Amino acid sequence: ELKVEQNPLFLSMQEGKNYTIYCNYSTTSDRLYWYRQDPGKSLESLFVLLSNGAVKQEGRLMASLDTKARLSTLHITAAVHDLSATYFCAVVEETSGSRLTFGEGTQLTVNP
Amino acid sequence: GAGVSQTPSNKVTEKGKYVELRCDPISGHTALYWYRQSLGQGPEFLIYFQGTGAADDSGLPNDRFFAVRPEGSVSTLKIQRTERGDSAVYLCASSRASGGETQYFGPGTRLLVL
Repeated sequence: ELKVEQNPLFLSMQEGKNYTIYCNYSTTSDRLYWYRQDPGKSLESLFVLLSNGAVKQEGRLMASLDTKARLSTLHITAAVHDLSATYFCAVVEETSGSRLTFGEGTQLTVNP
Repeated sequence: GAGVSQTPSNKVTEKGKYVELRCDPISGHTALYWYRQSLGQGPEFLIYFQGTGAADDSGLPNDRFFAVRPEGSVSTLKIQRTERGDSAVYLCASSRASGGETQYFGPGTRLLVL
């Protein structure tokens, strides 16, 4: 059974600081997704990582994938309050075809 | 363009009742997914359709849950004899095809079973 673990689960940081969220998964996969969810809202797609070594950047967020280590990171640079949200990574298991298995989410709060 | 839409946005029902939740995917998307999200958790997969057929229903928790997509577009998730433990947000997503395409999520239906 595929397990996806994120850490930390809760992150409180100051504006302007940098931090990294980690996503580990337990079985072979070459497709990993990052989503953002604001309170009471649905999930917004941030990044799709499709191969080992893939790196994607959008604004202050950068995501990377290491399929050998079964690890993805979401790096936040110079955080701003607008980044406060819950961030989920999700993995497609090679044998499952299409279903996403999500991590528990990282609740990020950026304080002024 | 229009995103995934779901109705109703909120549904309150009594234990033992039957409910239907509707999902209207992005036009042209052939794959449609249902997930369930409990408070403080990540979404959990329920079922996915490729066209009209359920390609994977391994996430449905028991036989009280059923979903259809008769014309390959709109889907309905049906829950019989609801239980308090069914209370959650039910999310629908769609993608252009299966097999790794980005899934775009709707706003969800918040179901509360009293």
